[in-house]
Amino acid sequence: QLQLQESGPGVVKPSETLSLTCTVSGDSVATSSYYWGWVRQPPEKGLEWIGSGGYSGNPYYNLSLKSRVSISIDTSKNQFSLTVTSVTAADTAVYYCARVPIMSTINYFDYWGRGTLVTVSS
Amino acid sequence: SYELTQPPSVSVSPGQTARITCSGDVLPRKYAYWYHQRSGQAPVLVISEDDKRHPGIPERFSGSSSGTMATLIISGAQVEDEGDYYCYSTDSSGNPMFGGGTKLTVL
Repeated sequence: QLQLQESGPGVVKPSETLSLTCTVSGDSVATSSYYWGWVRQPPEKGLEWIGSGGYSGNPYYNLSLKSRVSISIDTSKNQFSLTVTSVTAADTAVYYCARVPIMSTINYFDYWGRGTLVTVSS
Repeated sequence: SYELTQPPSVSVSPGQTARITCSGDVLPRKYAYWYHQRSGQAPVLVISEDDKRHPGIPERFSGSSSGTMATLIISGAQVEDEGDYYCYSTDSSGNPMFGGGTKLTVL
């Protein structure tokens, strides 16, 4: 059974770097069938696609965030990670990791983690 | 403003049919996907590629798409179907994006 679990600091100071990890069980991040991605949701607001990447493909990011985000894959730990640099209060959100079927015309998410709240505050 | 436009809210009585729409110029060319998010929980994929029900999703959920509008249909809505529903496709540049979300109330 596929499970995804986000982990990382709950509070990040303004201008610093936010780093989150998603641990995958029940599948391999090195699979050729799926990418792995991130979505966030500011408090009381809607969902925002951040980006996705895979073992066999280049990462693909939301253009509004592209200069500040990166997604990487760690096959040795069966994890993938998100980094957001130069954070501001606008980056405060619940961050979800999710799986992305490769054989799709757009990068959609079929299974999600439970999410983790990250607050940007001094 | 969203390039995928959803009504902010829809309300139905239990057992009635709920229809949630998603309007966007890309929809004649791109698939629509639908997610359900209950309060405090992660989104769950309900419909993929306009009309394919995700495994484990009840048969009362269906999807359709015609022209610039995709529709999620819940035939015989139940209280547990309450929550926010998001459509998902792309913007005019091909970048993935979510609609603004629709709050479904069943009471």
